[in-house]
Formats: sequence, structure tokens, C-alpha cells
Amino acid sequence: AQSVTQPDIHITVSEGASLELRCNYSYGATPYLFWYVQSPGQGLQLLLKYFSGDTLVQGIKGFEAEFKRSQSSFNLRKPSVHWSDAAEYFCAVGGPYKLSFGAGTTVTVRA
Amino acid sequence: DADVTQTPRNRITKTGKRIMLECSQTKGHDRMYWYRQDPGLGLRLIYYSFDVKDINKGEISDGYSVSRQAQAKFSLSLESAIPNQTALYFCATSDSWTGGSYNEQFFGPGTRLTVL
Repeated sequence: AQSVTQPDIHITVSEGASLELRCNYSYGATPYLFWYVQSPGQGLQLLLKYFSGDTLVQGIKGFEAEFKRSQSSFNLRKPSVHWSDAAEYFCAVGGPYKLSFGAGTTVTVRA
Repeated sequence: DADVTQTPRNRITKTGKRIMLECSQTKGHDRMYWYRQDPGLGLRLIYYSFDVKDINKGEISDGYSVSRQAQAKFSLSLESAIPNQTALYFCATSDSWTGGSYNEQFFGPGTRLTVL
């Protein structure tokens, strides 16, 4: 069975500081991994995805994520957070048929 | 124009009423999905469809039914709504599986459903 754990329910970060969101997955084969962002009142937007190849993946809005097979992790990072990054972030793992999402991490940005 | 649209965007209804949520897409994708989002639980898959004649239950299909009227349309019905079906509902689409590449899902804006 496939599953995703996002250990942090809520993170508060100062504007300009770095951000790291954790994601651990369980999947029986080579995983396909995604990070989505949901701004308040909005749908989900894809930030980045990993299928194969380079384990450090660059996404939109200055985000990146690193796939670590040995740790079953796919953590999301941003070097310098902007106030507009306040949102809920979802990690997802999938195969040919469907995605499984984590419970999400809410990010609050303080001035 | 949005690629994936959902109607209505907001709906308040009463226990026992039948409700239909509709999803349309202009992306030309074969696959469509319905999810519900609840605080602290993330998104959970209700039903998914790989083409008009292929419909599958997800992890929380009880109390829901779906209809794939055309490649571009996928409706979710609550035959007799109950308060614990109050949630944010998302439709998503993806292209068919192609060897070596999993195609990501594209989401609609969501429908906020409240069952009183």
C-alpha cells in the first residue's frame, strides 16, 4: 500500500528565512513524488515532481525538493521565504493508477 | 479559461437531500478523479475513472456515486447527504499512463459543500 506522512502539521517561519517541509513515503516500487501547494481559498497547484534521474528537483516559485531513497523522504525546501508562500503544502506519492496525499503542512509567514 | 471547472463552487444543503457536483475539463485528459479534503486528513480519493466505461472506487466511496457522461465530464453524487459529508471536494484530471512517465494531476478550484 502507498502512503505519505507529513510530520509537521504547522510551521511558522519569518519572512526571508529558509523553509524545509518534511515528507516520508511508503511505496512498493519506484515512487513518483509530487509537492502541491494550496493557497487560501484556492485549488492545488503543482510545485514540482520527481519521476527519475537527478534526485534534486527544481520547481516553481523557487522551491526545490530532494529525493532520498534510503530515507524514503522527499523534503521540500526554499532558501528565502516570501509572505506569499503562506499556504498549505501537500506531498503525494503515486504509481500508474492513483495518488496518495499526506495530511498537509500549513505554513505561516511572519513579518 | 480554466482547464478544470467545478460547479457549484459553494453549496449548502440539508440532511437527506440529493446533491450532484459537476466537473468539466478542456485538457483532453482521459483520467478523472474526485477527492474530498478535510482538515488534518489531506485529500482522500473517492472515485476515479480512466475512461468513460472504466470507473473505480477509491478509499472512501461509501455514500457517493459517480457518472462519467463523456470524456470531459465527471459528476459526483451524494444520494442522501449527511453532515459528515461536509467537506471541500476537488475534481482532478490526468493524462493516460505513458511508459516511463507518470502524468501529474491537474485540479479544479474545489466545491465547498455544507450539509446541515
